[in-house]
Amino acid sequence: KAGVTQTPRYLIKTRGQQVTLSCSPISGHRSVSWYQQTPGQGLQFLFEYFSETQRNKGNFPGRFSGRQFSNSRSEMNVSTLELGDSALYLCASSRADRGQTEAFFGQGTRLTVV
Amino acid sequence: DQQVKQNSPSLSVQEGRISILNCDYTNSMFDYFLWYKKYPAEGPTFLISISSIKDKNEDGRFTVFLNKSAKHLSLHIVPSQPGDSAVYFCAASAYSDKLIFGTGTRLQVFP
Repeated sequence: KAGVTQTPRYLIKTRGQQVTLSCSPISGHRSVSWYQQTPGQGLQFLFEYFSETQRNKGNFPGRFSGRQFSNSRSEMNVSTLELGDSALYLCASSRADRGQTEAFFGQGTRLTVV
Repeated sequence: DQQVKQNSPSLSVQEGRISILNCDYTNSMFDYFLWYKKYPAEGPTFLISISSIKDKNEDGRFTVFLNKSAKHLSLHIVPSQPGDSAVYFCAASAYSDKLIFGTGTRLQVFP
């Protein structure tokens, strides 16, 4: 069974540009969450999608947005990139529509803003 | 407001000894706790979880303890092995809500 797939693995963008990251969850998983990891900050929750609807949102500015498609694949978009957006962006999928199950992570997309 | 805290950024343990990683939380609504392990350039890997109805869960060399009154959980690794060297994150959630992660503890197991 394939794991969570994130593309691309690495990205270099310049300030002011926008970027779109993609995440394909494990087959059968309907929940997809996005996290930002920076040194010393752990994993900061961005948002969660379930059945094409945003179910939870973290404390990030509106420049960060996402969506989920009918096949559960998800994309995350960051507009007007800032240097501070440089981070590892992780996507996680889980099986449960409600309840407590573990989330499975992809390898992440390393975004560098120059 | 850091609801899940890992106050030790790093821990160094000799191979064969016990590693104890600690995590504190502030939200009394949390009822599900997880530990993840992360190697560089990889996504976190699920290790073990515990529901708030339990105070201990064991899986091989890994045991998680939950002290609800103290809002504290810990991960014990016995015996520690060099391959356990990684960053460990604890995470917590309230029913149906998002996972909140701590800032991680870097474990180094030396021979």
